[in-house]
Amino acid sequence: KAGVTQTPRYLIKTRGQQVTLSCSPISGHRSVSWYQQTPGQGLQFLFEYFSETQRNKGNFPGRFSGRQFSNSRSEMNVSTLELGDSALYLCASSLGRSGANVLTFGAGSRLTVL
Amino acid sequence: QKEVEQNSGPLSVPEGAIASLNCTYSDRGSQSFFWYRQYSGKSPELIMFIYSNGDKEDGRFTAQLNKASQYVSLLIRDSQPSDSATYLCASEYGNKLVFGAGTILRVKS
Repeated sequence: KAGVTQTPRYLIKTRGQQVTLSCSPISGHRSVSWYQQTPGQGLQFLFEYFSETQRNKGNFPGRFSGRQFSNSRSEMNVSTLELGDSALYLCASSLGRSGANVLTFGAGSRLTVL
Repeated sequence: QKEVEQNSGPLSVPEGAIASLNCTYSDRGSQSFFWYRQYSGKSPELIMFIYSNGDKEDGRFTAQLNKASQYVSLLIRDSQPSDSATYLCASEYGNKLVFGAGTILRVKS
């Protein structure tokens, strides 16, 4: 059974650019959550989607957005990149109707902003 | 602000010893708690979760929950060098998991 797949794994951008990250959940999982991980802040919750609806959003600026498609695949977008957006972005999927059920994480997308 | 607090460590234990990792949470309404392990350069992986007061055992791992004290712990028996990692405690808040900053565990052979 395939796990959570995130693409791209690594990317380098410059300030002011935008980036789109993709996440394919485990087959049958309908909830997808996104987290940002940095050495200083740890794992910070970005947002959670279920059945194409955003049910929860963390304390991030509007430059961070996401969506979920009918096949449960999800994308997140960061516009007008800043140096502080350099981080590991983790996607996690879960089976249940809640983002607080057991999460299975993907390998992450490591973003470097120069 | 809902918070989960962990001692960042590092916690160093000799091989074969019991490692005790602790976590406190601020919201009394939280019902479920999770322990994840994260190796350097890897993503977090679930060790176990606990919903009810008391102990829950899974192999060498035991999770303990005390809701009155808002305290969660993870015991690792017979610690191995392969257990060296960062251990993340998480609490459920309204359909999302809030993670602590993690405790670095080092098991010395």
